Amino acid sequence: AQSVTQPDIHITVSEGASLELRCNYSYGATPYLFWYVQSPGQGLQLLLKYFSGDTLVQGIKGFEAEFKRSQSSFNLRKPSVHWSDAAEYFCAVGLMEYGNKLVFGAGTILRVKS
Amino acid sequence: DGGITQSPKYLFRKEGQNVTLSCEQNLNHDAMYWYRQDPGQGLRLIYYSQIVNDFQKGDIAEGYSVSREKKESFPLTVTSAQKNPTAFYLCASSITVLNTEAFFGQGTRLTVV
Repeated sequence: AQSVTQPDIHITVSEGASLELRCNYSYGATPYLFWYVQSPGQGLQLLLKYFSGDTLVQGIKGFEAEFKRSQSSFNLRKPSVHWSDAAEYFCAVGLMEYGNKLVFGAGTILRVKS
Repeated sequence: DGGITQSPKYLFRKEGQNVTLSCEQNLNHDAMYWYRQDPGQGLRLIYYSQIVNDFQKGDIAEGYSVSREKKESFPLTVTSAQKNPTAFYLCASSITVLNTEAFFGQGTRLTVV
C-alpha cells in the first residue's frame, strides 16, 4: 500500500539556521510529490511539487526539495529559517489512479527559537 | 477571488446528532475531497468525488456520508454512527488531470459535546 513517512514529529531550529525535513514514500510507480504547510487552525498551503524533470524543485518562501528515486525520498530544505516558518509541514504523494487523491505523512511540527 | 469555502469554521454537536459540513469551490475543479485531521496522524481521506453525482469512499468513510449534486459543492455529513467525530475537517479540490495539485479550504473544527 502507498504510504508516506515523516520520521520527525517535532524539529526545533534557531532562527537563521538551515532546515531539512525528511520524507520517505512507498509507491510503485513514479510519484507525484508535494510539500504543504499548515499554520494552526488553518488550511494547507502548497509549498512545492514534483512531477517530473529536474529533481531539485524550488518553491515559495525560499523552500526547495530534492527528489531521490534511489532513496524514495523527497526532503524539504531551507538555507535560513525565519521565525514565521514555524508551522506544521506535510509531505504527500499524489495518486493519479485514484482521482488524484493525496496520501499524507503524519506531519512535522517546526519550532523556531530566537 | 477563486477558492474553497468551508463553513462553519467551528461546529458543536451533541452526541447522537447528525451534522453537515459545507464545502463550496469556484475554481471549476472536477475533483473534490474530504480529509479528517487528528493530531499526530496527518490527514486521512474520508471521501472523494471526481465528477458530479459520483463519489468514492476513502480510507475512513465509516460514519460519514457525502453528496455531489453540483460541481461546486461537496457537503459532508457526520452521522451519529461516527464513534469519534471530534476532529478538524478539511475540504480540497483539484483538476483531475496530470500535473495538478489540490487546493484546500480553511477547515471546520467539529467538537462533540
